[in-house]
Amino acid sequence: EDQVTQSPEALRLQEGESSSLNCSYTVSGLRGLFWYRQDPGKGPEFLFTLYSAGEEKEKERLKATLTKKESFLHITAPKPEDSATYLCAVQAIGSARQLTFGSGTQLTVLP
Amino acid sequence: ETGVTQTPRHLVMGMTNKKSLKCEQHLGHNAMYWYKQSAKKPLELMFVYSLEERVENNSVPSRFSPECPNSSHLFLHLHTLQPEDSALYLCASSQDLRGEPQHFGDGTRLSIL
Repeated sequence: EDQVTQSPEALRLQEGESSSLNCSYTVSGLRGLFWYRQDPGKGPEFLFTLYSAGEEKEKERLKATLTKKESFLHITAPKPEDSATYLCAVQAIGSARQLTFGSGTQLTVLP
Repeated sequence: ETGVTQTPRHLVMGMTNKKSLKCEQHLGHNAMYWYKQSAKKPLELMFVYSLEERVENNSVPSRFSPECPNSSHLFLHLHTLQPEDSALYLCASSQDLRGEPQHFGDGTRLSIL
């Protein structure tokens, strides 16, 4: 059974204080790993897809990396507007219809 | 309009009511999904449609009945719901079922009295 575990559950940072969110996964064969951002009262917003170990993607202050067991979402010099819940999901080979989601990391960036 | 639009945004209903949730995507995608999001729990996939054909039903109770009349529209018909069905119901779409990212609407917040 595919599993995704995100840590920490919640993270409070001061503005400008860089940190990383972790997504550990167990999947029979990885087709893709997805990162989403979800603001309160909104649906998840797609950020990145990673397909193979060693791959990295960047967008503004966010950088996602992937190994064979986990993915990290690095946040460099965060701003209060980066506050949101960040969700990680995996899609297994042979199960293209299914995304298995983690429970998310709730990030709060204080001014 | 662009993206994925869900209506209504909020719905309060009694256990004996019948209501429907609507989703419309303006992205030209061929696959659409219904998810349930409960507090502190991961998103749960409910149904998947590809080219208007249901291809996945994740052991969802029959009180939830999906309908996909065309590739742009998806409905979730609700009947005789239980209090534990109170949640955020999210619709998503993707280009196909081959690993493309899914794009979500903002959901319908459903409360069962």
